[in-house]
Amino acid sequence: NAGVTQTPKFRVLKTGQSMTLLCAQDMNHEYMYWYRQDPGMGLRLIHYSVGEGTTAKGEVPDGYNVSRLKKQNFLLGLESAAPSQTSVYFCASSDRDWDTQYFGPGTRLTVL
Amino acid sequence: AQKVTQAQTEISVVEKEDVTLDCVYETRDTTYYLFWYKQPPSGELVFLIRRNSFDEQNEISGRYSWNFQKSTSSFNFTITASQVVDSAVYFCALSEALPRPGGSYIPTFGRGTSLIVHP
Repeated sequence: NAGVTQTPKFRVLKTGQSMTLLCAQDMNHEYMYWYRQDPGMGLRLIHYSVGEGTTAKGEVPDGYNVSRLKKQNFLLGLESAAPSQTSVYFCASSDRDWDTQYFGPGTRLTVL
Repeated sequence: AQKVTQAQTEISVVEKEDVTLDCVYETRDTTYYLFWYKQPPSGELVFLIRRNSFDEQNEISGRYSWNFQKSTSSFNFTITASQVVDSAVYFCALSEALPRPGGSYIPTFGRGTSLIVHP
């Protein structure tokens, strides 16, 4: 039982490049979330999903897209990376919306 | 305005001291949930506690205790006899029933308090 996994763990991009971060959970959770963590800013919600095939915007959605084609996977895409997107990205899942969130190990992304 | 305020950016203590991490929240909902998470230097986020708005009982778990006071909108976290392994960033979070798809309780995190425990 791996919990929540994220791929990749580290990535360096050049401005304008695109990439996709993959989050997978094996707990059959309905809810999945993408956060970014920046120094002194805590965790800010980018997008979230309340079930397979559904997504919604969080606090800081601009420049990101997401997809939830399978219940266990939640993808975060950057179409044209910018230095402002340099951050640590965390994925999380929960059984119900108010329930405890289980976090992945994080992806450290640097955009040059 | 921040919905979750952790006014202490960094706290430094010596081992065996007691320390309290403050969390003040803001909501108009009558039903909400409060959480504390720990992020040790390794980076992962670990759940510590969840409390719903109807349960104001204080909670104690070993050296950890939580004081929930609706009258002051606070959910403070105390570590008794701190240890070096308690060194981490601690996040307080609030989930409200916002008008989103399905009325989801989407969480808002505070900016975190970095606790450094010196030997």
